[in-house]
Amino acid sequence: EAQVTQNPRYLITVTGKKLTVTCSQNMNHEYMSWYRQDPGLGLRQIYYSMNVEVTDKGDVPEGYKVSRKEKRNFPLILESPSPNQTSLYFCASSGGTGLTGELFFGEGSRLTVL
Amino acid sequence: SQQGEEDPQALSIQEGENATMNCSYKTSINNLQWYRQNSGRGLVHLILIRSNEREKHSGRLRVTLDTSKKSSSLLITASRAADTASYFCATDAWSFVASGSRLTFGEGTQLTVNP
Repeated sequence: EAQVTQNPRYLITVTGKKLTVTCSQNMNHEYMSWYRQDPGLGLRQIYYSMNVEVTDKGDVPEGYKVSRKEKRNFPLILESPSPNQTSLYFCASSGGTGLTGELFFGEGSRLTVL
Repeated sequence: SQQGEEDPQALSIQEGENATMNCSYKTSINNLQWYRQNSGRGLVHLILIRSNEREKHSGRLRVTLDTSKKSSSLLITASRAADTASYFCATDAWSFVASGSRLTFGEGTQLTVNP
């Protein structure tokens, strides 16, 4: 089954404790992206990757890092989480041009930073 | 503000009725997409309409695009309780922060279909 898998689905952490949210897709998509969803602000793009070893900032990249060492994986790293990073995070992938193609989303990771 | 803005923010109808949601955007686009999100779940792609298209159908969904008014509408006919979800439009838009074209989402319309 074609899917985008994120882990963990739920996480509560404390300020400053590094964490990684993993994302994996099994559709051989070149394009992958991370979004955060907050009430009243909709979905905002954090980082995206056009292919292996190619990543670039989205609209709200501050406080986040990503890497793309393999085509299927695109982890989101919070080196020093802060409470304003409490949010619902989505990973997405696309087999089209990526930037404006149809996106396939993961089920989301709800992060709370205390 | 967002490139795409949905209207209304919330819509409540009875099963069997039609539901219409609107999306307005600010800049020129190449395409516009509609997505659905069940509560707390990932978004699911519904339909894509290109800037040179005016109308598109998929099952009970009908999407229109008016580039002169910079607006789109999503019509769900003969709605069902299972259609209850948030619906988002997404448009490609230039992002100065990212120096490239991005798929930008609105804040969504919450549709409730009462049995």
